[in-house]
Amino acid sequence: DQQVKQNSPSLSVQEGRISILNCDYTNSMFDYFLWYKKYPAEGPTFLISISSIKDKNEDGRFTVFLNKSAKHLSLHIVPSQPGDSAVYFCAATYGNKLVFGAGTILRVKS
Amino acid sequence: NAGVTQTPKFQVLKTGQSMTLQCAQDMNHNSMYWYRQDPGMGLRLIYYSASEGTTDKGEVPNGYNVSRLNKREFSLRLESAAPSQTSVYFCASSDLTMFAAFFGQGTRLTVV
Repeated sequence: DQQVKQNSPSLSVQEGRISILNCDYTNSMFDYFLWYKKYPAEGPTFLISISSIKDKNEDGRFTVFLNKSAKHLSLHIVPSQPGDSAVYFCAATYGNKLVFGAGTILRVKS
Repeated sequence: NAGVTQTPKFQVLKTGQSMTLQCAQDMNHNSMYWYRQDPGMGLRLIYYSASEGTTDKGEVPNGYNVSRLNKREFSLRLESAAPSQTSVYFCASSDLTMFAAFFGQGTRLTVV
């Protein structure tokens, strides 16, 4: 039973444009939502998070939006850069558990 | 500042063999996790430890055991390896007040 779902396996975007990565969840008890970025042969690295009581958090080029009624969150990257090409994982916490989605491969074309 | 260190980085096992994956963190974090990553499945939680002396099952605990040796170290043991356990294993630690986890570089395990 996957509680965090990323339904798009991949996304291709032109350099300079916006990248939008989506995530849906089923557990209304999640406390925090997080995005991680992963390059090949490396561990995931934390990117940005949002509390379940907020609807937006921004950090430089990265903005996360949370729609609790739809149980949906998204990560916006503006402007996209070739170095952003990686796998992006959506994750969520409840209690001491941290659960992940399946990931979305982002390719930014120059 | 090493962060989260996993050993070994690569391992090939024969079916039925046992081995222990080691993980250590130097960030004084309370919580530690073991995940496996398989194509199309993302990161699935095997076991986690909220604090020294406690461990709990995650999504896919069958075939694994863990030991939280002290605050720094959290090991994952495969008692009798099976080909279905071929995967990349990641250890992570977190101080949940930060609501983010730091990951090791992974162990690529192949069971033949």
